[in-house]
Amino acid sequence: DTAVSQTPKYLVTQMGNDKSIKCEQNLGHDTMYWYKQDSKKFLKIMFSYNNKELIINETVPNRFSPKSPDKAHLNLHINSLELGDSAVYFCASSHLRTSYEQYFGPGTRLTVT
Amino acid sequence: AQKITQTQPGMFVQEKEAVTLDCTYDTSDQSYGLFWYKQPSSGEMIFLIYQGSYDEQNATEGRYSLNFQKARKSANLVISASQLGDSAMYFCAMREYTGFQKLVFGTGTRLLVSP
Repeated sequence: DTAVSQTPKYLVTQMGNDKSIKCEQNLGHDTMYWYKQDSKKFLKIMFSYNNKELIINETVPNRFSPKSPDKAHLNLHINSLELGDSAVYFCASSHLRTSYEQYFGPGTRLTVT
Repeated sequence: AQKITQTQPGMFVQEKEAVTLDCTYDTSDQSYGLFWYKQPSSGEMIFLIYQGSYDEQNATEGRYSLNFQKARKSANLVISASQLGDSAMYFCAMREYTGFQKLVFGTGTRLLVSP
């Protein structure tokens, strides 16, 4: 009974390809997030959805497009992958107004060659 | 804008000793939350402890305590009786309650516990 799950855990692909990362949470949370952790371990938020509505959209290239089909799922699609996209991508979820802790998924390590 | 500073890139401690990991923050909001997360070599992000800006007492969770000094804008993590399994990256983070729960992270401190 995993709380926040991500697939795949590892993703190796070539420059120029398009790839997707999927995230699902079974905690009943109304808000989901995507964070990027770079090679220096720095974590930065990319997007957040609340009840399927985009509420946070940090300065991220247009090649990144999140999609939330329902409250329990938040996917990240990346077009025309570049070397600099190599990172670990974390999904997280929480209740927007009633809880303080964000629960993180296990992360997806993306390597672009 | 929110900012978190962790000035210790690496810390070493012997098993069973206590260690303090430093964190300072900057915000213009009166209402905010401070968090510590642990990231072991396996990569997952593990929530450790939370302190709200209006909490008068320092937060404690088992061997973890948060030394909250509001006037100094510091939220140091204290790990008592270190264990080998405590070796990991530790991240301090902050969320302003006026926003959409965006967590802003520090650069992290790598803790190594030696036998």
